[in-house]
Amino acid sequence: DVVMTQSPDSLAVSLGERATINCKSSQSLLSSSNNKNYLAWYQQKSGQPLKLLIYWASTRESGVPDRFSGSGSGTDFTLTISSLQAEDVALYYCQQYYSTPPTFGQGTTVEVK
Amino acid sequence: QVQLQESGPGLVEPSQTLSLTCTVSGDSIGSGNYFWNWIRQPAGKKLEWLGRMNSWGRTYYNPSLRSRVTISVDTSKNQFSLSLSSVTATDTAVYYCAREKMGPLGFFDYWGQGTLVTVSS
Repeated sequence: DVVMTQSPDSLAVSLGERATINCKSSQSLLSSSNNKNYLAWYQQKSGQPLKLLIYWASTRESGVPDRFSGSGSGTDFTLTISSLQAEDVALYYCQQYYSTPPTFGQGTTVEVK
Repeated sequence: QVQLQESGPGLVEPSQTLSLTCTVSGDSIGSGNYFWNWIRQPAGKKLEWLGRMNSWGRTYYNPSLRSRVTISVDTSKNQFSLSLSSVTATDTAVYYCAREKMGPLGFFDYWGQGTLVTVSS
């Protein structure tokens, strides 16, 4: 199975500041057939379903604010919140869908400093 | 708006079979456009994918659980179900259902809220 490792496990950021979450996979998620990275990011707020934020490593899901962006390729990926808002306090997960079984990172908690 | 809702017993005895149902609203499972998945998360551990099925009966299971997991779809009720046999305490987890877009090997665009299942006598 592909192992997904996120860093840090938690971070505290001041409102309006940038938050950066890293995700590393144990093997490349870049497909040579379509040049796409099979990596998604999700947000989980307390008591709510997980919400898809980003897929194909950098494509924002419809309705997701543009302060959320994804980048990276191969084995190293980043989720950036450009200007943290109070409603962004949540747990964030990365997930690979390059191979079965799909696997997830351990999650990163984002809090307000 | 697509919504998924898990339902089923919150307590299962060891060695018994865990059975959960996911009811889908806002979309038709029978449309065949998606795969329907079960994922779980034990307390303090990573999310673990259990398996997927489409409306035509094509299934994929996690090899680590393949012999114990069965996923089925009831298009008439717009539901899909999970059956996990011979459970032990290690199967205690929050269980989620999710819709998979562009599957197999797709991403999960809608999730249920999750339901806690405890395995205990």
